[in-house]
Amino acid sequence: DAKTTQPTSMDCAEGRAANLPCNHSTISGNEYVYWYRQIHSQGPQYIIHGLKNNETNEMASLIITEDRKSSTLILPHATLRDTAVYYCIVSPDSNYQLIWGAGTKLIIKP
Amino acid sequence: NAGVTQTPKFQVLKTGQSMTLQCAQDMNHEYMSWYRQDPGMGLRLIHYSVGAGITDQGEVPNGYNVSRSTTEDFPLRLLSAAPSQTSVYFCASSFLQGPEAFFGQGTRLTVV
Repeated sequence: DAKTTQPTSMDCAEGRAANLPCNHSTISGNEYVYWYRQIHSQGPQYIIHGLKNNETNEMASLIITEDRKSSTLILPHATLRDTAVYYCIVSPDSNYQLIWGAGTKLIIKP
Repeated sequence: NAGVTQTPKFQVLKTGQSMTLQCAQDMNHEYMSWYRQDPGMGLRLIHYSVGAGITDQGEVPNGYNVSRSTTEDFPLRLLSAAPSQTSVYFCASSFLQGPEAFFGQGTRLTVV
């Protein structure tokens, strides 16, 4: 079973920040939080990952709570092309066997 | 770079037939894996490999075989296709240290 809990679906207005939550209350100390997205049944695409500190790259920001039991993926200025299913995954750095849940279907509306 | 290339993109099989799904990567990644994705669900790991000559089972290995004779290629064999194997299959590759896995575009398999 997936180790994460995500909302089934979310809407966001184009141009606004999209904030996608993820609960991972049983995360172990050596497990990273990974985010991937899947656009229209294409192959999943890596977005970002983190251990305990907040991370930012050209695609998104990842905010991890201090107790590491939850995190939020932030797409700062959502566009229609960000409509996708977003997956939050926890996995140890030495084991790349990702366990996927059903993810959050994010719909960006004009 | 082509990245991760899967062939074929679509396939229809009859129950009991066998076939091989091809996966090739040109990024010199040590780690390769196969997933299946059923409608409305996340991906489930079938088999994986950490290098040439080394393979292991994932979450749902029954009915599938793999081998890894080269770094570049990781074919998935369906031994005797069943309707329950109707799914979309994704191949992925990455460096052992990660963090980013690269996925192919998928093979859509229907078993009738």
